[in-house]
Amino acid sequence: DARVTQTPRHKVTEMGQEVTMRCQPILGHNTVFWYRQTMMQGLELLAYFRNRAPLDDSGMPKDRFSAEMPDATLATLKIQPSEPRDSAVYFCASGLVPEQANYGYTFGSGTRLTVV
Amino acid sequence: GQQVMQIPQYQHVQEGEDFTTYCNSSTTLSNIQWYKQRPGGHPVFLIQLVKSGEVKKQKRLTFQFGEAKKNSSLHITATQTTDVGTYFCAGPRGNAGNMLTFGGGTRLMVKP
Repeated sequence: DARVTQTPRHKVTEMGQEVTMRCQPILGHNTVFWYRQTMMQGLELLAYFRNRAPLDDSGMPKDRFSAEMPDATLATLKIQPSEPRDSAVYFCASGLVPEQANYGYTFGSGTRLTVV
Repeated sequence: GQQVMQIPQYQHVQEGEDFTTYCNSSTTLSNIQWYKQRPGGHPVFLIQLVKSGEVKKQKRLTFQFGEAKKNSSLHITATQTTDVGTYFCAGPRGNAGNMLTFGGGTRLMVKP
C-alpha cells in the first residue's frame, strides 16, 4: 500500500531551537495538509497545499511556523523558535482531488514533538 | 467560523454492545468524511457521504448523513475489541471544499 512518510517519528528539543519536520506525500497526490493534534485542541489544520502551491495557512502561527513544498515529493513544516506549547503530534496528509471522495486523505504516522 | 462537534467524547461499551457517535455542524456541509484513529496511530479514512439522507454500510458500521446535511452519525453493531479507537467526522471548511475541519472525535473503549 502507498504511504505518506513522515520524518522524524519523534523529536525532543529544547525551547528556542529550530525544528524541521518532513513529509513525503504519496506519488501522484496533488493535495497536502499539515495537521497538529493535541489532547486539548484535537486535530487542527495548519497548512494546505494544492499542486505545491500554498492555498491556506490561516491556522498556522505565522511568527514562528512556516510550511513549504520545495518539490512534489517533499513537504516541510518548520518551527523557529520552538516553544513548549508546540509539543504535539504533527501529521501530514495527502490526497488526490477530486478522487479523494472515494479514498479520502492518507495520513502519515506523524511526528511526535516534545519541546522542553 | 464553521464548527464540527461530536458527541459523546468518550464511550465505554461491553463487547457485543452497539455504539453510536454523532456529528453536528454549524453550517450545511457539501459532504462529510469519517476517519478512525487507533491508539498511538494516525487517522485512517473510512468513508465519505455526499447526498442528503445518504446511508452507507461497511460490515458492522452504518454511516448516515442527515437530511439537512448538517449532521451525521456512525453506528457500530455488536462492537468488538478491534473497534477500539477514536472516530472522527470531518467536513469541508467554508467554501474550500477540500479543506477538512475535524470534529473533536469520540473515543471508543470496548471491554472484553
